[in-house]
Amino acid sequence: SQQGEEDPQALSIQEGENATMNCSYKTSINNLQWYRQNSGRGLVHLILIRSNEREKHSGRLRVTLDTSKKSSSLLITASRAADTASYFCATDVDMRFGAGTRLTVKP
Amino acid sequence: DTGVSQDPRHKITKRGQNVTFRCDPISEHNRLYWYRQTLGQGPEFLTYFQNEAQLEKSRLLSDRFSAERPKGSFSTLEIQRTEQGDSAMYLCASNPDGNTGELFFGEGSRLTVL
Repeated sequence: SQQGEEDPQALSIQEGENATMNCSYKTSINNLQWYRQNSGRGLVHLILIRSNEREKHSGRLRVTLDTSKKSSSLLITASRAADTASYFCATDVDMRFGAGTRLTVKP
Repeated sequence: DTGVSQDPRHKITKRGQNVTFRCDPISEHNRLYWYRQTLGQGPEFLTYFQNEAQLEKSRLLSDRFSAERPKGSFSTLEIQRTEQGDSAMYLCASNPDGNTGELFFGEGSRLTVL
């Protein structure tokens, strides 16, 4: 089975609120990556965090990595309707994806 | 546009027919991956190449599926004797340096088997 598993499966928030989604994995990694997928499109890489990093920022995105718990979280601050998409994580171990988190941001 | 192109973008075929999808990765990328995705699910790994060598193939992949990457450039994914269960989006992705870098995805090829 794949390394990365996202949680929750679905998340619905109002525009302007923050969205947090989580990823758990099973074995030691060198890096973990987050991707976004708009409906019917390919995945787009958002951010990569290395095993020696604990936190990384990119615009409204904040990613944390806890290697002791084998987990990562993706925080989207001040969400917009355009953030509505599915979000996936993958690790360098196998580049596999879970079922993702489907985020809906209501205007 | 990530620079990875897939063709065709949409394919409708009758059960039992063969179909072939093509992926052109970013030119300097050594690794190329194929995934299959059905509605509401995440991308399911099918196979990947390092240059022209197919290094891993999912056990879920039946013998009706075959992939090639001649000369380590473009890749093709062929499905023989298609079944309705093959209906899905087929995604291709590449990266330049193995698993240390991010994947660049194409827009996918959507297959509908009638």
